[in-house]
Amino acid sequence: DAGVTQSPTHLIKTRGQQVTLRCSPKSGHDTVSWYQQALGQGPQFIFQYYEEEERQRGNFPDRFSGHQFPNYSSELNVNALLLGDSALYLCASSETSGRWADTQYFGPGTRLTVL
Amino acid sequence: AQSVTQLGSHVSVSEGALVLLRCNYSSSVPPYLFWYVQYPNQGLQLLLKYTSAATLVKGINGFEAEFKKSETSFHLTKPSAHMSDAAEYFCAVSSNTGNQFYFGTGTSLTVIP
Repeated sequence: DAGVTQSPTHLIKTRGQQVTLRCSPKSGHDTVSWYQQALGQGPQFIFQYYEEEERQRGNFPDRFSGHQFPNYSSELNVNALLLGDSALYLCASSETSGRWADTQYFGPGTRLTVL
Repeated sequence: AQSVTQLGSHVSVSEGALVLLRCNYSSSVPPYLFWYVQYPNQGLQLLLKYTSAATLVKGINGFEAEFKKSETSFHLTKPSAHMSDAAEYFCAVSSNTGNQFYFGTGTSLTVIP
């Protein structure tokens, strides 16, 4: 049973560019959350997708957007990249039952470097 | 609102010694609490979770944590440290719908041979 997978592993972009990161959830999971982890910090919640809609959002600007597909996979898009966007981006999947989203399982992350 | 505070950004223990990593939480509702471990250049791996059942929770790799409501704490312990335990440890609390996790700033554990 494959766990959460993310692609690409590493990415280098320049300021002002746009980037798309991808995530496939663990089998049986229908909910995907995205986190930004800056160097030496804990993960910060960006947003969560369920039933192809953004269910909850953290304190991130509109430059950060996402999408969830019918097969539950998800994309994170970041526009107009800034140097401060350099971080490890983590995807986590979980299973929603009613209003409750169960334990989140994390992928290995995508390391984004903005030059 | 929920938050967690991890006391001690760096902890060093000798191999075979007790590991104690501290976490205090703040929550306006009964919390769900988690400990995750992160090895270099990897994602987060779930160690254990508290979901309002038994207050002493046993996890993987010999780790356990005790939920103490009176102290608003959820400290992580392991009786005997192993070299392979060297990693970054994160405590997290979930929102009352489980839709969002709030992480601490992490504790880096070093095991001295």
